[in-house]
Order: sequence, then C-alpha cells, then structure tokens
Amino acid sequence: TQLLEQSPQFLSIQEGENLTVYCNSSSVFSSLQWYRQEPGEGPVLLVTVVTGGEVKKLKRLTFQFGDARKDSSLHITAAQPGDTGLYLCAGDSGAQKLVFGQGTRLTINP
Amino acid sequence: DTGVSQDPRHKITKRGQNVTFRCDPISEHNRLYWYRQTLGQGPEFLTYFQNEAQLEKSRLLSDRFSAERPKGSFSTLEIQRTEQGDSAMYLCAGNKQGLHYGYTFGSGTRLTVV
Repeated sequence: TQLLEQSPQFLSIQEGENLTVYCNSSSVFSSLQWYRQEPGEGPVLLVTVVTGGEVKKLKRLTFQFGDARKDSSLHITAAQPGDTGLYLCAGDSGAQKLVFGQGTRLTINP
Repeated sequence: DTGVSQDPRHKITKRGQNVTFRCDPISEHNRLYWYRQTLGQGPEFLTYFQNEAQLEKSRLLSDRFSAERPKGSFSTLEIQRTEQGDSAMYLCAGNKQGLHYGYTFGSGTRLTVV
C-alpha cells in the first residue's frame, strides 16, 4: 500500500508569513499533484510535478518534487486569507489511480 | 461543458435505506473515478471506469456498494442498506487518458446516515 503522509496536519498562521507543507512517502511516484479543497467543494488541481528535482511556481506558491520522486513540498510566500483551505497531495504510482495524503488544513488569519 | 456535476449535493437518509448518487463528467473524460472522503481525511479510492468498463474496485467497496457507467457517460453509485459508517462526502472525478492531466472533481455528495 502506497501511503502519502502530509505534515503538518493543521497550520494556522498570520497573514504575510511564509509556510511550507510536506508530503512524504516510502514509495516512488511517476508524478505527484497538489490540490486545494474548500469546505463543501471538491478538490481543485493546482499543479503536477513529474521530474525528480522539479520546481514549479504558481504566483506565491512554489512546488518541489524530491530527487527520488518520493516526496514533495509546497511553499507559500506572504500567505493571504484567500490561501485558507485543505491542501492535498496525490501520487500516481502507475496503478491507474491517484493516492491521496490526509491533507493539511491551512488557516491564514488576517 | 462547465465541469463535473454531482447530484444531489446533500442527502440525509435513515439507516437501512438505499441511496443513489449521480455524476455527470465532462464529455471528453473517458475515465471516471469515485472517491469517499471523511472529515479531516483525504479522499479514498472506491472504483473507476474507463468508458463503460469498471476496471477496479477497492476493498473498501463492500457488497452493499455498486457503481455503473452505462454508455460511458454519466455514472451512478448506489449504496444499499446504508449504515452510519457510510456517512461521508462522495466525490466523482473525471480524467482524460493519463493521470498526468490530473482529476477534475465534482462538488461531491454529502451523505448523512441517521
């Protein structure tokens, strides 16, 4: 069973601060994705990373795929209240479906 | 196509009743997935279809659960003899061939079994 462990599970910070969320596994993934989910809605895809060591930037969000393709991180610079939500990582292990982590619930306080 | 639609958004049912949920994916989504999400957890895989063929079912999917995708378009998920442990958000997601493109999720159906 491939497991994706996210840390921290909960994070509450002030507007303007920086933060990093981690997604770790003992398994290798051919790609890894990050989603954001708001209450009562389905997750929305933010990014897909494919190559070991890859870094992608989406405005204030920076995503990194580990060299061994077993882990990933999401860094948010100057967090804003609109960044509040549940952040999910999901991996493709070649089994024709995505495996999700348990999520990181992020709260940005004004 | 404006996205993946799920109906109903919310369902409250008494224990022992049967419920059916519907998912309408985007037309080019030849793959359709069902996931279940409980509070504070990530989505757990239930089953998926490629066109009309159901290719995999999770061990989470007991005999009380059945899913169909007739003609490879919309899909239904039925739960028979509901139990309180079935209370969860049921998410449908579509995908073009290739997980690299990611999933497009619907808004989910929130099931509460009382």
